[in-house]
Amino acid sequence: DQQVKQNSPSLSVQEGRISILNCDYTNSMFDYFLWYKKYPAEGPTFLISISSIKDKNEDGRFTVFLNKSAKHLSLHIVPSQPGDSAVYFCAARIKNTDKLIFGTGTRLQVFP
Amino acid sequence: EPEVTQTPSHQVTQMGQEVILRCVPISNHLYFYWYRQILGQKVEFLVSFYNNEISEKSEIFDDQFSVERPDGSNFTLKIRSTKLEDSAMYFCASSRERFAGELFFGEGSRLTVL
Repeated sequence: DQQVKQNSPSLSVQEGRISILNCDYTNSMFDYFLWYKKYPAEGPTFLISISSIKDKNEDGRFTVFLNKSAKHLSLHIVPSQPGDSAVYFCAARIKNTDKLIFGTGTRLQVFP
Repeated sequence: EPEVTQTPSHQVTQMGQEVILRCVPISNHLYFYWYRQILGQKVEFLVSFYNNEISEKSEIFDDQFSVERPDGSNFTLKIRSTKLEDSAMYFCASSRERFAGELFFGEGSRLTVL
């Protein structure tokens, strides 16, 4: 099941710089996209979401961009902080279903 | 801040044994979910539950699995006869609305089947 793909397993960014995490999807029936952050030994924590009718959503240091024609979304974190170091999961929901389909995750490391 | 709590944090069981994983969702949430993550793999949807019945389930959620809300606060996942491949981290989640997307996850219960 490769409906949601995160092709970069890891990303390393210096503190203060921008982190860009990418996600590609294949299913045109997705109507809602989300980013979750996960620390070791914890459950995923919701970060930010975007509806398929929008192309950008911003919340503080976090911005999600959606490019429907390319079936691509990205999460921008600026400025990056060491506390942002975690695994970031992209997830998508098929319209009118309960099911979230997750990507494999990207491990972000923010170093001083 | 309200949170989803899960017990046990880790359970080790023998193949063929029954296991019950427990969850206390956030109190004013109405929709409940179980997801699992096998080591090194994606987080996968198992089942959603609302108004005392299953709303949706995945192909993973076969007859060996069942869910229940036995009282006003707990939400349980039962695996009747565990297999080696059931070893995974099981996450409970809850949400205020259906199709909300913003699920609140617990810390997970690690199940190890020997």
